Amino acid sequence: GENVEQHPSTLSVQEGDSAVIKCTYSDSASNYFPWYKQELGKRPQLIIDIRSNVGEKKDQRIAVTLNKTAKHFSLHITETQPEDSAVYFCAAQGQGTYKYIFGTGTRLKVLA
Amino acid sequence: DSGVTQTPKHLITATGQRVTLRCSPRSGDLSVYWYQQSLDQGLQFLIQYYNGEERAKGNILERFSAQQFPDLHSELNLSSLELGDSALYFCASSQGTGGMNTIYFGEGSWLTVV
Repeated sequence: GENVEQHPSTLSVQEGDSAVIKCTYSDSASNYFPWYKQELGKRPQLIIDIRSNVGEKKDQRIAVTLNKTAKHFSLHITETQPEDSAVYFCAAQGQGTYKYIFGTGTRLKVLA
Repeated sequence: DSGVTQTPKHLITATGQRVTLRCSPRSGDLSVYWYQQSLDQGLQFLIQYYNGEERAKGNILERFSAQQFPDLHSELNLSSLELGDSALYFCASSQGTGGMNTIYFGEGSWLTVV
C-alpha cells in the first residue's frame, strides 16, 4: 500500500542554521505534496506545498524540492528561529486516490 | 482559524462507552477526513467522505464508524472504548476529492478514556 517515510524523527539546530527534512513516498502516481507544521496540542497547519509539475517552490525562509524520479521531496528551512520549533509532517496524495498519507513527523528544535 | 469546526474539544469517558465526535467542514468544502493522533505519534488516516459518500478508508477499527450528512457535517462514532483509544481526533476538509486538494484541519477533539 501507499507509504511515506520521513527522516529524521528529531532534529536540533542552532538558531540561524538551516534545517532539512526528507520524505520518500511509494506511490508513483502521487502528484501533490504538502507540508504541515504542528505546534504542541494544536492542529497541523499547511506551510507550503508542491505539485508534481514543478521541482522546487520557495516561500521566504521555507522551500520544498521534489525529485519525482527518486520519489523524494524535502523541506528546507533557512535562518531558523525559535518559533520554528514544532513537529513537521510531510504528506503525499495520489492522483485518482483520495487519501492523504502522512509521514511520521519530525520534531524540530531550534536552540537559541 | 481554519474554518473547520470540531466538537467537543475535550471528552473524558470510561472504557466500554460510546462517544460521537462532530465536525463541520469549511464553507464550500465537500470532503471530510478523519485522523487519529495518539500521544507523540503521527497522523493516522481513518476515513474520508465526499459529498455524503465514503471515498477512502484507512486503519479504522470496526468499533469505529463515521458518516457525512446531507448538510456535509460529519460524525465519528467510537464504541466499546478502550484505553488505547485515548487520542486527539482531527477532522479536516477540502474542496473536492482526488488530487491536489489542500486539506485544512480543525482544532481536534481530545478523547481520554479512563
